[in-house]
Amino acid sequence: AQSVTQPDIHITVSEGASLELRCNYSYGATPYLFWYVQSPGQGLQLLLKYFSGDTLVQGIKGFEAEFKRSQSSFNLRKPSVHWSDAAEYFCAVGARAAGNKLTFGGGTRVLVKP
Amino acid sequence: DAGVIQSPRHEVTEMGQEVTLRCKPISGHDYLFWYRQTMMRGLELLIYFNNNVPIDDSGMPEDRFSAKMPNASFSTLKIQPSEPRDSAVYFCASSTSQVPDTQYFGPGTRLTVL
Repeated sequence: AQSVTQPDIHITVSEGASLELRCNYSYGATPYLFWYVQSPGQGLQLLLKYFSGDTLVQGIKGFEAEFKRSQSSFNLRKPSVHWSDAAEYFCAVGARAAGNKLTFGGGTRVLVKP
Repeated sequence: DAGVIQSPRHEVTEMGQEVTLRCKPISGHDYLFWYRQTMMRGLELLIYFNNNVPIDDSGMPEDRFSAKMPNASFSTLKIQPSEPRDSAVYFCASSTSQVPDTQYFGPGTRLTVL
């Protein structure tokens, strides 16, 4: 069975600074990987996804993520954060054998300092 | 498209009462997922359907919880009787039958059981 670990529960970053959120997964075959963002009181919105091909994927709101098979990682990055990026971020992994069922990490809450 | 629709958005009830949460998936989507989100346990998959058939209900906490999908455009999650520990935000998500595909989330129902 697949699993996802987001090591950082909380991250505080200054507005304008860069942001990197870590995600490590466990799965024997090629995983399908997702990053979702949840603003307070809202549902989860897809930021980006990796299915195959180029290991550096671009998403919405200026986010990108890089799939590194050797490290079983799919870290999310943004060069310069905005106050509106304050939210909770979830990494998720899927597998072909599981249909479109996803396993989610515990989430990382990002606080943005002015 | 209107996206995934959930109702009600907020529900406050008393312990022992029956609660019914409703979900309308995106038209044309064949997968439907029910999740529960709490501070303590994070985002948990309760059950999911493919073509209206329950595929995996291993996440359903106990017999007090039941879910149905009578047709492709409607699903319910019922709790009877409700308990204070059921207080959480319940999300519905849907995706197409293409594997892999993105899950699209509804806005959630915030349930409070007094």
